[in-house]
Amino acid sequence: DAGVIQSPRHEVTEMGQEVTLRCKPISGHDYLFWYRQTMMRGLELLIYFNNNVPIDDSGMPEDRFSAKMPNASFSTLKIQPSEPRDSAVYFCASRREARETQYFGPGTRLLVL
Amino acid sequence: DQQVKQNSPSLSVQEGRISILNCDYTNSMFDYFLWYKKYPAEGPTFLISISSIKDKNEDGRFTVFLNKSAKHLSLHIVPSQPGDSAVYFCAASAYASGAGSYQLTFGKGTKLSVIP
Repeated sequence: DAGVIQSPRHEVTEMGQEVTLRCKPISGHDYLFWYRQTMMRGLELLIYFNNNVPIDDSGMPEDRFSAKMPNASFSTLKIQPSEPRDSAVYFCASRREARETQYFGPGTRLLVL
Repeated sequence: DQQVKQNSPSLSVQEGRISILNCDYTNSMFDYFLWYKKYPAEGPTFLISISSIKDKNEDGRFTVFLNKSAKHLSLHIVPSQPGDSAVYFCAASAYASGAGSYQLTFGKGTKLSVIP
């Protein structure tokens, strides 16, 4: 299996622009997670899905952030409009059952100027 | 309020010696604990885990110890190797009744440098 796939790997954009991050989970995994990593806050859970349904989005920082999972093999995290404080590494992760190991993608490094 | 704390941002150890990474938690509902390792430009990868019913779990050079009364766990790497140089994240799992599922809470990580 190719593992969790994220694109793009790097994104540089200007403040106010829309940013879309993409994730393809491991096939057969029912759970998908979006995390954000910063120096100050470490790894934060933003939102997660179970069987394509958003379960907990309490970690989403603001209404500027939205996430979708239209099918079992694809999810997006959108920031609109982006701000410099959104600069971080965004990870997608997936797992199969409730207590199994989460597998992370390589991350998208976002820089908002 | 951080529920999982890794108080040492960095640690340097000589090759061949023992590396000890520490983690403290505050939520008594956590019942499963994991360590992830992260290399630069890669996602975290699972390393080792321990259930709250145990106090020790060993996998090769890696051993995790859990002290529930102190709400403390540690990762021991013996002997340390230069390839172990990475950021290590401690994570704890609890059932979130509101969400109806288990969630992981991560610490901020400890950067381990193993010096040849």
